[in-house]
Amino acid sequence: GENVEQHPSTLSVQEGDSAVIKCTYSDSASNYFPWYKQELGKRPQLIIDIRSNVGEKKDQRIAVTLNKTAKHFSLHITETQPEDSAVYFCAASRARAGNMLTFGGGTRLMVKP
Amino acid sequence: GAGVSQSPRYKVTKRGQDVALRCDPISGHVSLYWYRQALGQGPEFLTYFNYEAQQDKSGLPNDRFSAERPEGSISTLTIQRTEQRDSAMYRCASSFRLAGGPARETQYFGPGTRLLVL
Repeated sequence: GENVEQHPSTLSVQEGDSAVIKCTYSDSASNYFPWYKQELGKRPQLIIDIRSNVGEKKDQRIAVTLNKTAKHFSLHITETQPEDSAVYFCAASRARAGNMLTFGGGTRLMVKP
Repeated sequence: GAGVSQSPRYKVTKRGQDVALRCDPISGHVSLYWYRQALGQGPEFLTYFNYEAQQDKSGLPNDRFSAERPEGSISTLTIQRTEQRDSAMYRCASSFRLAGGPARETQYFGPGTRLLVL
């Protein structure tokens, strides 16, 4: 089955700096890669996703890159703000009508004001 | 519109008791998933349904765990003879709106049921 590794487990940055979180996956058939943000005591919320036919996707301060050959994908947050502080999870799946997500272990991002 | 809802939000039970956790998906969503999330970790897949059909139950830990979705909408995850190791956050997610809406792979999570087995 799929295995997703996520690094780092914790990341502390100054407000305004950039943050990068990296994930690797094992199943070459995986083709859908979402990123979720989970604030303390809240449900995971999708912030961005990418499909394997695209190498990069951007949404305002957030971008995701995908390297299918190396089987890794990354989340980039620019101009970080204190409200970006949360746990971020990457995930992978074989996307068809309903398929399970395999999650990474999470990255706790702390943005210091 | 209304998101995924789950009930109860918290459940405290004694070891050996049965519990039933309910998930009400987003209206019109075909696929419904159950995950278990330990503190500080990512959700782990348990099982999922398309309509009323259980498509994959490979993530259920053992035969004390079962799930159903008899009418293709609300789902119930049942844990029989609970054990302390069953204590966790149980999350439900749904995806795939037939008539328009976001891409079908997108999964929306509910608030979860926190289960504590004493």
